[in-house]
Amino acid sequence: EAQVTQNPRYLITVTGKKLTVTCSQNMNHEYMSWYRQDPGLGLRQIYYSMNVEVTDKGDVPEGYKVSRKEKRNFPLILESPSPNQTSLYFCASSLRGRGTSSTDTQYFGPGTRLTVL
Amino acid sequence: GDSVTQMEGPVTLSEEAFLTINCTYTATGYPSLFWYVQYPGEGLQLLLKATKADDKGSNKGFEATYRKETTSFHLEKGSVQVSDSAVYFCALRSEKLVFGKGTKLTVNP
Repeated sequence: EAQVTQNPRYLITVTGKKLTVTCSQNMNHEYMSWYRQDPGLGLRQIYYSMNVEVTDKGDVPEGYKVSRKEKRNFPLILESPSPNQTSLYFCASSLRGRGTSSTDTQYFGPGTRLTVL
Repeated sequence: GDSVTQMEGPVTLSEEAFLTINCTYTATGYPSLFWYVQYPGEGLQLLLKATKADDKGSNKGFEATYRKETTSFHLEKGSVQVSDSAVYFCALRSEKLVFGKGTKLTVNP
């Protein structure tokens, strides 16, 4: 089954304790992206990756890191989480990246609800 | 930059009522337009899309028409069901995917 998976689905942590949220897709997609969803703000893009070893900042990258060593995986790293990073996080992928691939559908993971105390 | 504005919710309807959720956009170039749906506790799923002017996207009884002259992509359904209760996001994709803030729909029996 074609899907995007994220782990963990729920996480409660404390300020400053490094954490990683994993994301994996089995559709051989080139493009992967991370979003955060907050009430009244909709979805905002954190980072994206056009392909292996190619990553770039989205709209709200501060406090986050990503890596893309393999095509299928795109982990989100919070080196020193803070309470303002409490949010619902979604990973997404699509066949190709931006620009001329504007018709591509993005497929979303089930979400990771993170609480930073 | 590109942006999407959709009607603020929440929207509460009775079963079998007519639904309209307004969506307008601002974009350079010719974006593709999407409606995504998020059911409680789940991720976003593509509901329908349209890739050029006057295209009509449809799925599960929902429809939306790409209106370039009014820069709109309003979502409609003739008769909603309780199972349609969800949050609906309008989005455009040109250089990147840009979402509206979402509209929560509750359908009561």
